[in-house]
Amino acid sequence: EAAVTQSPRNKVAVTGGKVTLSCNQTNNHNNMYWYRQDTGHGLRLIHYSYGAGSTEKGDIPDGYKASRPSQENFSLILELATPSQTSVYFCASGVKGGGYAEQFFGPGTRLTVL
Amino acid sequence: GQQVQQSPASLVLQEGENAELQCNFSSTATQLQWFYQSPGGSLVSLLSNPSGTKHTGRLTSTTVTKERRSSLHISSSQTTDSGTYLCAIVGGMLSGSFNKLTFGAGTRLAVCP
Repeated sequence: EAAVTQSPRNKVAVTGGKVTLSCNQTNNHNNMYWYRQDTGHGLRLIHYSYGAGSTEKGDIPDGYKASRPSQENFSLILELATPSQTSVYFCASGVKGGGYAEQFFGPGTRLTVL
Repeated sequence: GQQVQQSPASLVLQEGENAELQCNFSSTATQLQWFYQSPGGSLVSLLSNPSGTKHTGRLTSTTVTKERRSSLHISSSQTTDSGTYLCAIVGGMLSGSFNKLTFGAGTRLAVCP
């Protein structure tokens, strides 16, 4: 069954440490996305990708990097984690173009930065 | 930038009652999607409705594009409907490769037995 999976599901990190969140999709979708969700803000777009080798900045990219080494995998990297990055992170995949914007989401990763 | 406002912020119902959730957006939406987020956090797309009325099961969505609003009606609510309902839009022209969703903060629904 096609799916979007994320790892780890929960992560506790220390301030200044490096954190990598991983996402894998078997939907064969070109587009992939990273969002964070905080109380009162809904989901906000951090980075996205059109395909292997591409990464683009979303609405709130500061403090984050992204990597798309293959069609299936999309990582979010926090080089120097800060407490303000404590949040729930969602990865999604979506069909490219064609006027169709539906996205399929992973289960989320709860990150706590102490 | 685009803004999406959802109301009410929270709603408590008795099982069997109907729910009406509202979504208002600040600019023209070329695509609108309703999501359900379970208490455990997972997100599922319920339906996509950029204009007009769409039904799926006990859900009915009505979007009036020129008035920049959409509603989600849940009939005969069940305890399993409890969770958060999110509205998201794509504003402006749909691009050839990428269509950015802007999300509202959601409506938290609790259905009591």
